[in-house]
Amino acid sequence: DGGITQSPKYLFRKEGQNVTLSCEQNLNHDAMYWYRQDPGQGLRLIYYSQIVNDFQKGDIAEGYSVSREKKESFPLTVTSAQKNPTAFYLCASSTGPSNTEAFFGQGTRLTVV
Amino acid sequence: AQSVTQLGSHVSVSEGALVLLRCNYSSSVPPYLFWYVQYPNQGLQLLLKYTSAATLVKGINDFEAEFKKSETSFHLTKPSAHMSDAAEYFCAVTTSGTYKYIFGTGTRLKVLA
Repeated sequence: DGGITQSPKYLFRKEGQNVTLSCEQNLNHDAMYWYRQDPGQGLRLIYYSQIVNDFQKGDIAEGYSVSREKKESFPLTVTSAQKNPTAFYLCASSTGPSNTEAFFGQGTRLTVV
Repeated sequence: AQSVTQLGSHVSVSEGALVLLRCNYSSSVPPYLFWYVQYPNQGLQLLLKYTSAATLVKGINDFEAEFKKSETSFHLTKPSAHMSDAAEYFCAVTTSGTYKYIFGTGTRLKVLA
């Protein structure tokens, strides 16, 4: 079945460590996204990619980095520069700038201790 | 720039009662609008979408929403609430030619027995 796979579902890291969240899709979508979700704040866009080898900062990109070397994959690295990294992270994909919806993975809950 | 406002971060209804979740949007160009549902520790699932065809949109599980341009609204309704409808609901907007989806802050629906 087509879909978006995020791994791991739960992740624990010590403060000051970088951590990489995985996102893979087999929907043949060009666009991919990373959102951060905090209680009461909805979804905030971290980075998005319209096509392979290209990506743009979203509204809260500081302390995060991404790569898009393959169409299917869009990993997110949470660096030690991110001041408050504990959150629920959602990856999504879409066909592009059209009237179609974004499809979401099941999320990764990152806890930094 | 687009934006979405969801009125009411928490809504409670009795089982069998009407569900009404409010969403107002702001967009300088014709919008595409979406409602998603999220269960705890899961990703977002699409309920329905408005893509400039019919203004009354029907979705899954008897949910529907009506696009009202004059009121810049896209409220979500369901005639009779079920216990299984308890979840968080997000309204989102995008426009033609943009890759960004802008989400509201969400409304948590509680269904009382």
